Amino acid sequence: AQSVTQLGSHVSVSEGALVLLRCNYSSSVPPYLFWYVQYPNQGLQLLLKYTTGATLVKGINGFEAEFKKSETSFHLTKPSAHMSDAAEYFCAVSDPNSGGSNYKLTFGKGTLLTVNP
Amino acid sequence: KAGVTQTPRYLIKTRGQQVTLSCSPISGHRSVSWYQQTPGQGLQFLFEYFSETQRNKGNFPGRFSGRQFSNSRSEMNVSTLELGDSALYLCASSLEASRTIWSPLHFGNGTRLTVT
Repeated sequence: AQSVTQLGSHVSVSEGALVLLRCNYSSSVPPYLFWYVQYPNQGLQLLLKYTTGATLVKGINGFEAEFKKSETSFHLTKPSAHMSDAAEYFCAVSDPNSGGSNYKLTFGKGTLLTVNP
Repeated sequence: KAGVTQTPRYLIKTRGQQVTLSCSPISGHRSVSWYQQTPGQGLQFLFEYFSETQRNKGNFPGRFSGRQFSNSRSEMNVSTLELGDSALYLCASSLEASRTIWSPLHFGNGTRLTVT
């Protein structure tokens, strides 16, 4: 069974500071990994994904994440936080061999990012 | 291009009743997935449909069911509602042009169900 752990349910940063949201996963097979963002009263929006290939992936809004197999991690970073980044962020994993479908995602509990002026 | 549309946005039901939620995927998308989001359990996978067939199912009781129509629109039904079913129900669709290439999931804004 897969699982995702997001360290820190709430992270607070100052505008312009580095954003680091941590995600560790457990999977018996090489997984697909994702970060999603959720703004209040909205659905989830895909920030970035890792399926195969380059382990450093760049996403929208200046975010990037690095897949580190040895550490089973997929931490999300952004060099400089903007007020508009305040939202809840979810890390997710998918087993590409799961029932022939790539769409059964296991999500972490989420990290609420607050950006202070 | 219109996004994933979920109706209704808000719903209030009483324990014991049943409810049907609707999801219209992005035009051309054939895969529709459903997720339940609660403060305690977070986001949990309910089921996924592809070409009118349930392809994958999460660990939810049989009170939770779904279906997909030939136009890819999907409905989920919850019978005999319990207080714990109060949640945001999210639908997501995907193109899946190829089984070997992952296509992004596009989420709707959800239906917030409150059971009293």
